[in-house]
Formats: sequence, structure tokens, C-alpha cells
Amino acid sequence: QQQVKQSPQSLIVQKGGISIINCAYENTAFDYFPWYQQFPGKGPALLIAIRPDVSEKKEGRFTISFNKSAKQFSLHIMDSQPGDSATYFCAALETSGSRLTFGEGTQLTVNP
Amino acid sequence: DVKVTQSSRYLVKRTGEKVFLECVQDMDHENMFWYRQDPGLGLRLIYFSYDVKMKEKGDIPEGYSVSREKKERFSLILESASTNQTSMYLCASSLPGATRYEQYFGPGTRLTVT
Repeated sequence: QQQVKQSPQSLIVQKGGISIINCAYENTAFDYFPWYQQFPGKGPALLIAIRPDVSEKKEGRFTISFNKSAKQFSLHIMDSQPGDSATYFCAALETSGSRLTFGEGTQLTVNP
Repeated sequence: DVKVTQSSRYLVKRTGEKVFLECVQDMDHENMFWYRQDPGLGLRLIYFSYDVKMKEKGDIPEGYSVSREKKERFSLILESASTNQTSMYLCASSLPGATRYEQYFGPGTRLTVT
């Protein structure tokens, strides 16, 4: 039933490197594609989001790339820092309501 | 700042017990959600509500029920807890409209059923 597939499940990156997390979706009735960041012991929090009519969105070191024809989107974290170590979830917002469908999550570890 | 609070951070219950998980938000949000989080499975939607006394089933409602008597409060009920309901439970809220992709989450309740 999972309509959003996320990979990899875990990722280890050196400080200063680029972290890349990928997601693919099946249903075309999605309106927005947010990414959430979750630190241990906390609930997820919105990191960045993109509309399907935009191919890229950048906020600081975080960039979403969106490929509508391939039904894929990805999160790039430039100059990764140990403080970026967290679990990242991609999600898709349904067009007709307020439900989010989440990917499986990626546990990112940035080594100093 | 939006604040979503959950009644317990950790809870241990026995099989067959009735379990209540409470969630309160202080930003007058219409939408409220209950998820469970399990490693490798992400966040899965159990139930949600767009208004007081309104509820809709999510993707995994079996074994759960909900109650929303007041706008700010959304309760998740496990009628007869089972070991396969051991999980992290997350409550979230959001506004309808253009920013509805932003959900505000509570810190979670780690439920263990023995």
C-alpha cells in the first residue's frame, strides 16, 4: 500500500560531503512534496517542500530536485554537518485533502 | 510556536488492557492525525480528523479507535492492546489550505505491550 518509496534506508557521509536521499511515488494525485527531519527523541519537523510544477527548490544547504515525468524527487544536503545527523522522511500530500503519505525514512549519519 | 503535546513519553501496558493516548495542540488547528512509527516502515497513518467529532480511517486503523470531542484534543484508543501494537505513536496537527503539507508533530509516545 506504500505509495512513496524512499532509499537508502541508511546513509553514512563524511563531514563536508553531499548527502542524497531519493524518493519515488506511484500516485499522480499528489499536490506537494515535503521533506521532514527527525532528531532522536523528537517528532518530525518540516524541513523543505516543493510543488510539482517546480523542478528544484533550494533553502540554504538543502535542495529538493523534482522530476515529474519520472515521478521521483530527491533531497540533497550540501556540505553535510554532524548536526544534520537525523532521520529524513519524504512525503507526498494528497490533492483533495490533508493526508500525507510518508516514505520509509533514511537514517543519515554524518561523521566528523 | 505551535505546540503539540502527548500525554506520555513512555507507556508500558499488558496485553488486553485498554490504552488511551492523548494529544493536545494549542494552535487552533482543524486537522489532527495519529501515526505509528516503526523502523523501516516510516510513518503510517492510523486515523485522522478534520473537525470536532469527525474521524476518518487511515491506512492501518485495525485495532484502534479515536475520539475528538474538542478541537484541540485528539485521543487514540487501543481497545485491547496486543504485542503487535508495541510502537512509537506520533500525533500531528495542521491547518487546512495552502500550507496543509506542514504538519506539526508531538514528541511521541513509546508504547510497549507485554
